[in-house]
Amino acid sequence: DADVTQTPRNRITKTGKRIMLECSQTKGHDRMYWYRQDPGLGLRLIYYSFDVKDINKGEISDGYSVSRQAQAKFSLSLESAIPNQTALYFCAIGAGETQYFGPGTRLLVL
Amino acid sequence: GEDVEQSLFLSVREGDSSVINCTYTDSSSTYLYWYKQEPGAGLQLLTYIFSNMDMKQDQRLTVLLNKKDKHLSLRIADTQTGDSAIYFCAETGGGATNKLIFGTGTLLAVQP
Repeated sequence: DADVTQTPRNRITKTGKRIMLECSQTKGHDRMYWYRQDPGLGLRLIYYSFDVKDINKGEISDGYSVSRQAQAKFSLSLESAIPNQTALYFCAIGAGETQYFGPGTRLLVL
Repeated sequence: GEDVEQSLFLSVREGDSSVINCTYTDSSSTYLYWYKQEPGAGLQLLTYIFSNMDMKQDQRLTVLLNKKDKHLSLRIADTQTGDSAIYFCAETGGGATNKLIFGTGTLLAVQP
């Protein structure tokens, strides 16, 4: 959905490096989510936020942190990247009973 | 815990109907969703159904929900090559989090 943008779209990094994935939305929704997609595992929730002061862990938050800098921005950080964090990362916004996803960030950790 | 299961692959011929199936375990699911992911793209919300409904139709798409058996299906009529994608079933329980639990996705291959 064009209302949710993610940067970068692709990233290659090395083990131990710190990286940040960014997500922005234009619709002013309070709820934002970060998911990770691995082949054969579907999407799994990493973190979610209901407003600027609200941060909640999902099912696989270890090794990740997030920052909700503003209502429109929700960033995901890998403090020290490891190869098993190689995956496709999606940001989503919650609108009513639905969630709309960004285009994804493809991350490779060497 | 909550679990959503789908078969991994489905192959159909162009013009035929496709039926993608999904089972879930959370009896408190409020909404159930179908998302489509084309190669290299994000997830596109196709349709969703409220748990007190049995069926929802939207153009070529028909969603059937059997709440007793916790079974959800997506039927695509007159399947086209452009329908080739991965289809994800997802459910959300009640409460304020609205977090989605996803199935592993079904790869639909449409043969010309």
